[in-house]
Amino acid sequence: KAGVTQTPRYLIKTRGQQVTLSCSPISGHRSVSWYQQTPGQGLQFLFEYFSETQRNKGNFPGRFSGRQFSNSRSEMNVSTLELGDSALYLCASSLLMGQGGYNEQFFGPGTRLTVL
Amino acid sequence: AQKITQTQPGMFVQEKEAVTLDCTYDTSDPSYGLFWYKQPSSGEMIFLIYQGSYDQQNATEGRYSLNFQKARKSANLVISASQLGDSAMYFCAMRGGGSGGGADGLTFGKGTHLIIQP
Repeated sequence: KAGVTQTPRYLIKTRGQQVTLSCSPISGHRSVSWYQQTPGQGLQFLFEYFSETQRNKGNFPGRFSGRQFSNSRSEMNVSTLELGDSALYLCASSLLMGQGGYNEQFFGPGTRLTVL
Repeated sequence: AQKITQTQPGMFVQEKEAVTLDCTYDTSDPSYGLFWYKQPSSGEMIFLIYQGSYDQQNATEGRYSLNFQKARKSANLVISASQLGDSAMYFCAMRGGGSGGGADGLTFGKGTHLIIQP
């Protein structure tokens, strides 16, 4: 069974540009979550999608957005990039949307975004 | 708001020794889950072990066990017989029921960088 895949793996952009990252969950998984990892802030929850609907959102500005398609694949978009957006962006998939308790999330390898 | 605290930024341990990685948490949710993940230098997060807030017994998964002390809000990870391949970042995380009726994402601690020495 294929794991979570993320494309691209590495990306270099300049300030002011926008970027789109892609995540394909494990087959059969309907929930996709996105996380940002930086040395300063650590791992932070961005948002979660389930059945093409955003169900939960972390404390990030509106420049960060996402969507989920009918095949559960998800994309996240960051507009007007800032230097502080440089980070490892991790995608995680799970069978069901988390409702507290056990809901194992399988992570992809991440996309490393560098903003110059 | 949920919070995870990992007080050990880094640890050096001799191969084959047991390791305890500390994790304390804070939440007002009566129902929550606690997770440990391993992140090698490649960047991928690898799920290790889970403990539910209502579980009566400590979770175990092979060489990993979770020392869950609910009253102290502590969820330490114990790795028995450490191996060189255990060298990585280790993150404690939790997920609660959410104050708005929905679920929140995982809240992570800052992590512990574990280095196993031969």
